[in-house]
Amino acid sequence: DQQVKQNSPSLSVQEGRISILNCDYTNSMFDYFLWYKKYPAEGPTFLISISSIKDKNEDGRFTVFLNKSAKHLSLHIVPSQPGDSAVYFCAASKIQGAQKLVFGQGTRLTINP
Amino acid sequence: DTGVSQDPRHKITKRGQNVTFRCDPISEHNRLYWYRQTLGQGPEFLTYFQNEAQLEKSRLLSDRFSAERPKGSFSTLEIQRTEQGDSAMYLCASSAGQGVENIQYFGAGTRLSVL
Repeated sequence: DQQVKQNSPSLSVQEGRISILNCDYTNSMFDYFLWYKKYPAEGPTFLISISSIKDKNEDGRFTVFLNKSAKHLSLHIVPSQPGDSAVYFCAASKIQGAQKLVFGQGTRLTINP
Repeated sequence: DTGVSQDPRHKITKRGQNVTFRCDPISEHNRLYWYRQTLGQGPEFLTYFQNEAQLEKSRLLSDRFSAERPKGSFSTLEIQRTEQGDSAMYLCASSAGQGVENIQYFGAGTRLSVL
């Protein structure tokens, strides 16, 4: 039962262009969503989050969009830089209670010079 | 600013042996989480503590697994009678508490290899 899905295992984007990573969820009880970036041999690093009361949140080059009716969120990175090459995980949780994170399988982003 | 620290970074053990991992959270964080990550998958929740109380355990946490957080600071995760299927990255995360902005910060993980 994969409650959070990232259907693209990998994505390749040219430097300077926009990277769009997608994530779908099935559990309508989720009301808080996060994106993490992971480099090899390191733990996941928090990037950006959004609660279900919003449909967009921006932080510098990173923007997360949430479409609650479609149970879909996306992470936009613009402009993409070589240092953005990493595995990106989408995660979802409920604001109340344990707030344990449910992760997608990850998308490996490669930025080409 | 010392982030979440995990020790050891790597552990190689033989099947049937016991192993113990340690996690030191960010000092002011009262919530501590353990996750397990296998190749090609995202991290999966194992258990969480609020201060010293273990409040939730995943069904992934079999009887061979035990976690403690004796004084509400560091935590240990012990696996008894290890099996090859236990080979994974074990990640610890901490957070400041409940709320909309309850962001979990992760350590670098302990990679376990069971031979």
